[in-house]
Amino acid sequence: NAGVTQTPKFQVLKTGQSMTLQCAQDMNHNSMYWYRQDPGMGLRLIYYSASEGTTDKGEVPNGYNVSRLNKREFSLRLESAAPSQTSVYFCASSEFPGWEAFFGQGTRLTVV
Amino acid sequence: AQKVTQAQTEISVVEKEDVTLDCVYETRDTTYYLFWYKQPPSGELVFLIRRNSFDEQNEISGRYSWNFQKSTSSFNFTITASQVVDSAVYFCASYSGAGSYQLTFGKGTKLSVIP
Repeated sequence: NAGVTQTPKFQVLKTGQSMTLQCAQDMNHNSMYWYRQDPGMGLRLIYYSASEGTTDKGEVPNGYNVSRLNKREFSLRLESAAPSQTSVYFCASSEFPGWEAFFGQGTRLTVV
Repeated sequence: AQKVTQAQTEISVVEKEDVTLDCVYETRDTTYYLFWYKQPPSGELVFLIRRNSFDEQNEISGRYSWNFQKSTSSFNFTITASQVVDSAVYFCASYSGAGSYQLTFGKGTKLSVIP
């Protein structure tokens, strides 16, 4: 089983460009999450989807949008990238909210 | 709001030494869950353990053990006879069942095990 798969693994964007980070899980989990990791900050929740058909803001949602396309897929969109969005992005899933979350390999995004 | 504090930013130990990583959590909820994750140099996040607030029993898994003490709001992680492969950043995290789905992470402790 692949678990949680994120694409792409690396991306460089120019300020103002848009892009979508893709995430898919094959564990039949109900809940999915997007986190960003910055040096010295730990992981911070951007958006989450407790179940298919629902999405909610996390701690740092500004500048991002999400789509829970189906039970397997949860995408994160940057409409107009800014240098402050340079980070490592992790997608995660859990069977239910509060259960152990399993993480993808991460996407290293640089905005110049 | 929940808060997780990992006061140790970086720790270095010599191989075969024991090491304890500290985690202090804050919550107003009676039902909550605590987690430890490992992030090796390759960057992925690996789930290690989940405990709920009603279960204060210590847990041992091989060289890893966890000490959960509600009286001090701590959930400390001990590695016995450390190995170079234990070198990683370790994150403590908490989750409250009170309507919030946010897993709150500490800032992590970087452990370096020197051969």
